[in-house]
Amino acid sequence: DAGITQSPRHKVTETGTPVTLRCHQTENHRYMYWYRQDPGHGLRLIHYSYGVKDTDKGEVSDGYSVSRSKTEDFLLTLESATSSQTSVYFCAISESDKNYGYTFGSGTRLTVV
Amino acid sequence: QKEVEQNSGPLSVPEGAIASLNCTYSDQGSQSFFWYRQYSGKSPELIMFIYSNGDKEDGRFTAQLNKASQYVSLLIRDSQPSDSATYLCASRQSREYGNKLVFGAGTILRVKS
Repeated sequence: DAGITQSPRHKVTETGTPVTLRCHQTENHRYMYWYRQDPGHGLRLIHYSYGVKDTDKGEVSDGYSVSRSKTEDFLLTLESATSSQTSVYFCAISESDKNYGYTFGSGTRLTVV
Repeated sequence: QKEVEQNSGPLSVPEGAIASLNCTYSDQGSQSFFWYRQYSGKSPELIMFIYSNGDKEDGRFTAQLNKASQYVSLLIRDSQPSDSATYLCASRQSREYGNKLVFGAGTILRVKS
């Protein structure tokens, strides 16, 4: 299975502070994604990347930015955290041998107080 | 908005019975469909994918696809308490849209021993 790790696993931060979540993969996959998961809303796409420096917005991108300067790393930044961004964040990679289905990281539980 | 709809459940079945999970999708351009299992507090795990009309079997799991009706289902035979989880259905958009998956909100399955 693909190696995909997220850090940190848990974070508590204060409203108004910037926060960066990291996703790291070990197998040179082109496509990477950031989702958030909330009760009643399921998994919603924040941003995705289709290559180094190539990113695009998802359905809930407001208040978030991303960067991908290396194939293996995809960073998600909350520019000024708000309580509505309290959520579980999942990174995923798309694997061609699974018909481009995703493998997810373990998730980051973020609490904004 | 391209949508994937699932009954939220919970669906309760006795141990040893067949669990039937259903999903409909709105995007006629979707070609591939995925079933994920998610245990509480864990990340989603890919169980099966299907892209041809008909049935696809893998052990106790059978995925069924009917493109004319825009309907996908997952059957779990000989259900076990360890199958109790949330099951997410997803459809894949085309490469020009980033191979993105659109997820349903999930169906909670409870298998009672």
